[in-house]
Amino acid sequence: GNSVTQMEGPVTLSEEAFLTINCTYTATGYPSLFWYVQYPGEGLQLLLKATKADDKGSNKGFEATYRKETTSFHLEKGSVQVSDSAVYFCALSDQGSGGSNYKLTFGKGTLLTVNP
Amino acid sequence: DAGITQSPRHKVTETGTPVTLRCHQTENHRYMYWYRQDPGHGLRLIHYSYGVKDTDKGEVSDGYSVSRSKTEDFLLTLESATSSQTSVYFCAIRRLAGTPNEQFFGPGTRLTVL
Repeated sequence: GNSVTQMEGPVTLSEEAFLTINCTYTATGYPSLFWYVQYPGEGLQLLLKATKADDKGSNKGFEATYRKETTSFHLEKGSVQVSDSAVYFCALSDQGSGGSNYKLTFGKGTLLTVNP
Repeated sequence: DAGITQSPRHKVTETGTPVTLRCHQTENHRYMYWYRQDPGHGLRLIHYSYGVKDTDKGEVSDGYSVSRSKTEDFLLTLESATSSQTSVYFCAIRRLAGTPNEQFFGPGTRLTVL
């Protein structure tokens, strides 16, 4: 079945540091890949997405590139801010064939804390 | 904002009692999902629905049932709550327009079973 593995947290950085959160996946076919962010006390928000190999998703200074050859979708940001403190989830969705109905499979989440 | 609300937002109950959580959406989406979030597990799919009266199990469905008698409401029921069902529950919808496998989440319900 499908699975997502993301780096264990927590991750603690100083403001303006470079961020990488690793994510690798196992899936059949050609899944879509997502990063979701959960701020304290809130639900999940879609941060960025990529639907095919070599696509780069980007939003709010975050980027991730869909690498099929390494089955990876690592999240990066060049200069983090205190307001980026949150839990980040990598997720994949199958293509909905065979009755799978586009179910999402999530990684376990990575807690990021950015200190001033 | 996908027009998703969940109720209640917080609930404390006792082992053995029935509990029903409600997810309500205002945009007439066909697909709806229930997940639970636990530390060290991320989000795991409990049940989902692909239309009125059409539901199916996810990976952690034991101890849960769902119902969808109208498009806008998707109910999750714990017939006899156990402490292992203490969790945060999220509802999600999937839009058919745009990226078809993109889901949008509600604010969550924090359930504590004593």
